Amino acid sequence: GQQLNQSPQSMFIQEGEDVSMNCTSSSIFNTWLWYKQDPGEGPVLLIALYKAGELTSNGRLTAQFGITRKDSFLNISASIPSDVGIYFCAVLSNFGNEKLTFGTGTRLTIIP
Amino acid sequence: GAGVSQSPSNKVTEKGKDVELRCDPISGHTALYWYRQSLGQGLEFLIYFQGNSAPDKSGLPSDRFSAERTGGSVSTLTIQRTQQEDSAVYLCASSVLETQYFGPGTRLLVL
Repeated sequence: GQQLNQSPQSMFIQEGEDVSMNCTSSSIFNTWLWYKQDPGEGPVLLIALYKAGELTSNGRLTAQFGITRKDSFLNISASIPSDVGIYFCAVLSNFGNEKLTFGTGTRLTIIP
Repeated sequence: GAGVSQSPSNKVTEKGKDVELRCDPISGHTALYWYRQSLGQGLEFLIYFQGNSAPDKSGLPSDRFSAERTGGSVSTLTIQRTQQEDSAVYLCASSVLETQYFGPGTRLLVL
């Protein structure tokens, strides 16, 4: 069954605002990933986190791997219209090839 | 192209019919995955192929679902005797290490 709790489910923000979303688990995972899915497309990897406590940035995106290995957050600064989409956290038990377990997603909408 | 491709992009079928969904992974990627995404939901793992190893079928929801990967490349997901609850987007991904690259998906609607 579903092991990842992702929140919020949806966000309505104005362009230029900062965004924060998080993902928690009752189990320990060794790799945390954040994906973005645009309408009609497959998910695209944004950030990968491999070390507990790690803070990683990719442009306006920043993600952290929780020290307990049971949570992660994703921040987007100064949102722009192309940030609209669904953001998913995903986890791997180990490093390397294996199936991903996904969160339920956070739908981001930018209000004009 | 260099990405994962899937066909068809959309499929409408009648309840009880069989469907086949195709995935062409990125050349050289040894691992191939199938996921299902129901409306407004996250992705649900179905099956995973790694090289010549036996596939991990632990996510297949019923014995109506099967998949094969020929020659370590193209994969086909088959759903027999489709039911309305099979309606979803079926996504394929391939990887060589931990980064999975997804195709655009096949949108299946069972009437």
